[in-house]
Amino acid sequence: GAVVSQHPSWVICKSGTSVKIECRSLDFQATTMFWYRQFPKQSLMLMATSNEGSKATYEQGVEKDKFLINHASLTLSTLTVTSAHPEDSSFYICSAEPGTGAGYTFGSGTRLTVV
Amino acid sequence: ELKVEQNPLFLSMQEGKNYTIYCNYSTTSDRLYWYRQDPGKSLESLFVLLSNGAVKQEGRLMASLDTKARLSTLHITAAVHDLSATYFCAVGTSGTYKYIFGTGTRLKVLA
Repeated sequence: GAVVSQHPSWVICKSGTSVKIECRSLDFQATTMFWYRQFPKQSLMLMATSNEGSKATYEQGVEKDKFLINHASLTLSTLTVTSAHPEDSSFYICSAEPGTGAGYTFGSGTRLTVV
Repeated sequence: ELKVEQNPLFLSMQEGKNYTIYCNYSTTSDRLYWYRQDPGKSLESLFVLLSNGAVKQEGRLMASLDTKARLSTLHITAAVHDLSATYFCAVGTSGTYKYIFGTGTRLKVLA
């Protein structure tokens, strides 16, 4: 089945540093990927739509300069949290639609803790 | 703007009982999904519903869609402990690839 691989699974970083999260579609091509953020015991909030070869589309209220998204190939999208602060600590999940009719496939998620 | 609401938010039920989770959405949509999330894990796709009147079943779970009422239901039959998880519906925004998640329903099945 379609697999979306996300790395790292968890990361702890110091305030002020940047963290890169990778999302790869392993057995299909994805022109579009989605990045979500989930706080504990809450729903998923769409942050941005990553478009291969073009700029990402950010949702209202999401700082594009803070959450840099790059979709350089048909199988890889990256999310970089720049100058991370404790309030950026969250569970970040990517997803893509493999075209199988089974709905979107999600990565395993990245738990970011900023100390 | 598309809004998606689920109820109940929390559900504690005895094994063997039946219950229904509801997902209401505010604007026209052309697709609806149900997902399961276990604590600390990512999401697992359960159902994709693409047309009015669509009904899908897998094991003890059955999902349906009424596009006219803008309502989807996830029915649990004879619940077992393994069904304990958080269930989300997600509704697609017509004409785009985007979809918005419901608030989620945390289900706990008691032995």
